[in-house]
Amino acid sequence: AQKITQTQPGMFVQEKEAVTLDCTYDTSDQSYGLFWYKQPSSGEMIFLIYQGSYDEQNATEGRYSLNFQKARKSANLVISASQLGDSAMYFCAMREPYNTDKLIFGTGTRLQVFP
Amino acid sequence: EAQVTQNPRYLITVTGKKLTVTCSQNMNHEYMSWYRQDPGLGLRQIYYSMNVEVTDKGDVPEGYKVSRKEKRNFPLILESPSPNQTSLYFCASSPKQGYSNQPQHFGDGTRLSIL
Repeated sequence: AQKITQTQPGMFVQEKEAVTLDCTYDTSDQSYGLFWYKQPSSGEMIFLIYQGSYDEQNATEGRYSLNFQKARKSANLVISASQLGDSAMYFCAMREPYNTDKLIFGTGTRLQVFP
Repeated sequence: EAQVTQNPRYLITVTGKKLTVTCSQNMNHEYMSWYRQDPGLGLRQIYYSMNVEVTDKGDVPEGYKVSRKEKRNFPLILESPSPNQTSLYFCASSPKQGYSNQPQHFGDGTRLSIL
């Protein structure tokens, strides 16, 4: 069965440093999409970045990049130059098959950025 | 403004009293979903709909009903709520998926407490 695993319940990082949030997934399908969402304390879900299973390049969006290692089934989020406003819950999610609306979310990682 | 609107935002009610949480989107999206978010469990999909009159069960559908009579609306119905359905609920929508995945747009959430 498809599954998303985020093994880091909480992470701390100093402002301006880079941080990696881990995500591994399990699927038997060849076509799938991977997403990262941010949930600040205010509660809304904010889309950050997307990676398709057939994409050869790692996705990047501003300070966010996705370290996609297909053979290892990992899709880690890298945040460069952390800011205080990055403190939030971060969720990894998978859409499988890629053309459906069936999504599985991980349990999340709470990131705290300190000065 | 493109948005997903959920109502109510907060509700406290009692066991067994039928309730409906409405969800409406103004982006002409084909796909809509409902999730519940519980501490330590992340977001879990309750139901999703890929078109009008087409709905499918997610991972935790027991105790919930949905309907999709119009493209823009996707209400969540709890016919006989129980305390274990106390949770934060999110509605989300996205365009019909091709290979270039589009992320889901989330509503602001409904915090439901069942006594």
